[in-house]
Amino acid sequence: DTAVSQTPKYLVTQMGNDKSIKCEQNLGHDTMYWYKQDSKKFLKIMFSYNNKELIINETVPNRFSPKSPDKAHLNLHINSLELGDSAVYFCASSSWVSGGYNEQFFGPGTRLTVL
Amino acid sequence: AQSVTQLGSHVSVSEGALVLLRCNYSSSVPPYLFWYVQYPNQGLQLLLKYTSAATLVKGINGFEAEFKKSETSFHLTKPSAHMSDAAEYFCAVSERAAGNKLTFGGGTRVLVKP
Repeated sequence: DTAVSQTPKYLVTQMGNDKSIKCEQNLGHDTMYWYKQDSKKFLKIMFSYNNKELIINETVPNRFSPKSPDKAHLNLHINSLELGDSAVYFCASSSWVSGGYNEQFFGPGTRLTVL
Repeated sequence: AQSVTQLGSHVSVSEGALVLLRCNYSSSVPPYLFWYVQYPNQGLQLLLKYTSAATLVKGINGFEAEFKKSETSFHLTKPSAHMSDAAEYFCAVSERAAGNKLTFGGGTRVLVKP
């Protein structure tokens, strides 16, 4: 299936731990994103990479570090997890076409719970 | 900066009735606008998009939206609600000059009553 996939789907961990979330897309897109959805369902962009280059870096604690080994993968590493990091994290991808970007395709999300 | 406002965090409709979800945007440049749907415990699925072509946009599952520049609105409608339409709906505007980041509205939860 062509899609955006994320692992793991659920992540439960203790405060202070370090964890990573992985994202892969097989749509041939050149741009990938991380969004955070909080407990009130509000969605906000965190990062975006285009062809392995960081192009969006919103006001996010530097405990969050994205890494893009190639244009099909975008991982999110979080150091020293805090209670407030509990949320659903969505990965998305899109492609550049003449005139602008196409729509973004979203992964199924990773529900992170910090205890 | 761009922004999106969705009026009504919850909407309750009867099965077979009209669904109307309101979205107003703020943008300094001609916008690209999107409606996404999120079913429980799932990711976001694109319903439809406006990218400066026809102002009346048809999407999947019988939904459509009309772009009105004078009202800075992009309201989503469906003539006849189905039980399967129960979900969270998000309106979003794309900031093409800023890496295509999406700015979302707060979402509207739709409840469909039998």
